[in-house]
Amino acid sequence: SAVISQKPSRDICQRGTSLTIQCQVDSQVTMMFWYRQQPGQSLTLIATANQGSEATYESGFVIDKFPISRPNLTFSTLTVSNMSPEDSSIYLCSVIGRQAKNIQYFGAGTRLSVL
Amino acid sequence: KQEVTQIPAALSVPEGENLVLNCSFTDSAIYNLQWFRQDPGKGLTSLLLIQSSQREQTSGRLNASLDKSSGRSTLYIAASQPGDSATYLCAVGFSGSARQLTFGSGTQLTVLP
Repeated sequence: SAVISQKPSRDICQRGTSLTIQCQVDSQVTMMFWYRQQPGQSLTLIATANQGSEATYESGFVIDKFPISRPNLTFSTLTVSNMSPEDSSIYLCSVIGRQAKNIQYFGAGTRLSVL
Repeated sequence: KQEVTQIPAALSVPEGENLVLNCSFTDSAIYNLQWFRQDPGKGLTSLLLIQSSQREQTSGRLNASLDKSSGRSTLYIAASQPGDSATYLCAVGFSGSARQLTFGSGTQLTVLP
């Protein structure tokens, strides 16, 4: 299995500011994803983080609001830009390892509250 | 639109009871299905993954089944314990979607001592 470290674990931010969330994996992985879990709801995929190129965003999510970087096979960042209270959610990083079976592993998440 | 539905949304059972959680999906063209557990305020823990070619997977007291033709999966928990209390999420990897997962809304399970 892959061990995923996500930072920060939680934060409280002011409206209009930006927060960058880091995801570090203990081994090289083939794919990395970013999900959002709004209060009381299930997970929604934001984007697939592609190494060395622009992320692939899902419908309803745009790069200007959620810029993503993935400089190598073990690290990615998600920035939540120009935050509003509607951005208050848990943001989760997930990966698929290089081993077989396509099991997807998740980080512990970043709990974001925007005032 | 590819959707995943979980019923019931919440379930409360006495300790020791066997129980079944249900998951249904709208498109039978899947490459795998994964069951997760989420504890309050925490991330997701992978419980079982079923490949599209498989019909079931077992791990300890957990058994997950897959019926692609009917678009259904079940998670069977034997001899439930209070420590099993959590939200259980079903997630489907649909074919052609680059291995991303579509999640159900979850079943919140409470096992009463």
